[in-house]
Amino acid sequence: QKEVEQDPGPLSVPEGAIVSLNCTYSNSAFQYFMWYRQYSRKGPELLMYTYSSGNKEDGRFTAQVDKSSKYISLFIRDSQPSDSATYLCAMSVETNAGKSTFGDGTTLTVKP
Amino acid sequence: NAGVTQTPKFRVLKTGQSMTLLCAQDMNHEYMYWYRQDPGMGLRLIHYSVGEGTTAKGEVPDGYNVSRLKKQNFLLGLESAAPSQTSVYFCATTARTYGYTFGSGTRLTVV
Repeated sequence: QKEVEQDPGPLSVPEGAIVSLNCTYSNSAFQYFMWYRQYSRKGPELLMYTYSSGNKEDGRFTAQVDKSSKYISLFIRDSQPSDSATYLCAMSVETNAGKSTFGDGTTLTVKP
Repeated sequence: NAGVTQTPKFRVLKTGQSMTLLCAQDMNHEYMYWYRQDPGMGLRLIHYSVGEGTTAKGEVPDGYNVSRLKKQNFLLGLESAAPSQTSVYFCATTARTYGYTFGSGTRLTVV
């Protein structure tokens, strides 16, 4: 069983929809939770990070972490065609040389 | 512009050939990583470095070697390429324990 499991998708939504992307994990030592966006044939780029439990909002994006359930989510409001990409969740432990463990990614398509 | 530069961007190798992938960063970060990305398997850590002159094995190190002689450069070597090493290789760096900056990747095909 993988340490980080990500809803596989793919997801296809109409423009303006609210999107929910989710990951579960098994390692209770994870402290940092990240979301990356990866456009086709590009490297991943850091979208948001959260430390421990709670919510964090950045424009149309909201990251949620529920450590008691070992579950994290990324919500995208008012989705745009430019949001079409693969989204990767990642997690790390502070004392582990900065190494992150990644989910396999969810591919999102937002249709105009 | 600050960032991570990977060379080459594309390469086709024959089985048994060797090559070196170069990662260069101008962000003055201590931590550097090499990942491979394969369909359905996500990003898997090959090797990493926590500072100049240090390297360590990641999740899938077999068939690869690395060197970090200078802080800004992290080299990934394939001594004898195999078709199973066909993949997209990403270099990443960070100054913290979270949040990487990735390079644009190297697409390697071994035939």
